[in-house]
Amino acid sequence: AQSVTQLDSHVSVSEGTPVLLRCNYSSSYSPSLFWYVQHPNKGLQLLLKYTSAATLVKGINGFEAEFKKSETSFHLTKPSAHMSDAAEYFCVVSPFYNQGGKLIFGQGTELSVKP
Amino acid sequence: NAGVMQNPRHLVRRRGQEARLRCSPMKGHSHVYWYRQLPEEGLKFMVYLQKENIIDESGMPKERFSAEFPKEGPSILRIQQVVRGDSAAYFCASSPGGLAGAQETQYFGPGTRLLVL
Repeated sequence: AQSVTQLDSHVSVSEGTPVLLRCNYSSSYSPSLFWYVQHPNKGLQLLLKYTSAATLVKGINGFEAEFKKSETSFHLTKPSAHMSDAAEYFCVVSPFYNQGGKLIFGQGTELSVKP
Repeated sequence: NAGVMQNPRHLVRRRGQEARLRCSPMKGHSHVYWYRQLPEEGLKFMVYLQKENIIDESGMPKERFSAEFPKEGPSILRIQQVVRGDSAAYFCASSPGGLAGAQETQYFGPGTRLLVL
């Protein structure tokens, strides 16, 4: 069975410092992995996705994530946090590679950015 | 180019009433997904539909919940005889469908926040 675990429910950083949001996945085969962001009372926006091409994936707004099969991890990083990055972030795995189908969400990590 | 649209954005119902949530996918998209987000939790898959066809309803509660995606018009998530535990945010997503290659991206709507009194 596929699952995803976000290791921190809340992360707080200062503006201008690096961001690291941790995610581990469990999958019986090579998964598709995504990071989505949700701003308060808004829908979800796709930040980036991994589909077995390059292991380092670049997304929008300066975010990137690295797929590490040996560690079953897909951590999200950004070199310098901005106040507008404050939101809820979800790591997501798709159990149906190369097909449409349901997404499995982690519990979410709330990112706070202090001035 | 409009994104995924959901209405209403907020819905208040009393226990025992029916709730109807609507989702219009992005233009050109033929696949629709419904997810539920309970307070303090991540999103949970409910159902996956294509036009006039339910593909996967493994996440749907066995009773009171139903979904459809007719040939014409929006997808509808219907909750009969609502209870307080149904209070949640319900998100719809859509994808193009029919693409080979990389996993299709699902594009999410703004959600409908249901409150059951």
